[in-house]
Amino acid sequence: AQSVTQPDIHITVSEGASLELRCNYSYGATPYLFWYVQSPGQGLQLLLKYFSGDTLVQGIKGFEAEFKRSQSSFNLRKPSVHWSDAAEYFCAVGNGGYQKVTFGTGTKLQVIP
Amino acid sequence: DSGVTQTPKHLITATGQRVTLRCSPRSGDLSVYWYQQSLDQGLQFLIQYYNGEERAKGNILERFSAQQFPDLHSELNLSSLELGDSALYFCASSVGSAAHNEQFFGPGTRLTVL
Repeated sequence: AQSVTQPDIHITVSEGASLELRCNYSYGATPYLFWYVQSPGQGLQLLLKYFSGDTLVQGIKGFEAEFKRSQSSFNLRKPSVHWSDAAEYFCAVGNGGYQKVTFGTGTKLQVIP
Repeated sequence: DSGVTQTPKHLITATGQRVTLRCSPRSGDLSVYWYQQSLDQGLQFLIQYYNGEERAKGNILERFSAQQFPDLHSELNLSSLELGDSALYFCASSVGSAAHNEQFFGPGTRLTVL
């Protein structure tokens, strides 16, 4: 069965600093990988996704993620964090065989001045 | 605004009761997904419908049921409610049924069971 691990429950960074959120997945074949963001009181919004091809994918709001098959990872990065990036971030994995997408437990990002 | 609407926004009810949550997908989307988000369980996939038919089932309890109507809106029915059912329930929609389709999430319905 597919699974996703986000080892960091909570991360605090200073505004302007770089950010990396970790995600490890478990799936036998090449997975479909997603990062979603949830702002307080809102639903989830897709930041970026990876299906195949270039392992470095660009998303909205200046985010990028890199698929590393050897490490079963899909970490999310941003070079300079803005206060508006404070939110909860979810990594998710799906596959082409059926429709279920499995979400990680989320990482809450706090941005301090 | 994702284009997915959910009603009601908040719902407070008592144990043993039955409630219905409603979701209208984005225009043109045929798939509807239901998720439950709670502090202890995280975001859990419940069920997916595509063009009126059930497509995938996740961790949905037998006390819960869902359907998708001909106009593509969906309802999630929760019965014999327990305190542990208190959670945020999200609906999402996508144009197709496959896992690679981007899911657009609604604002959620917060259910409180007293």
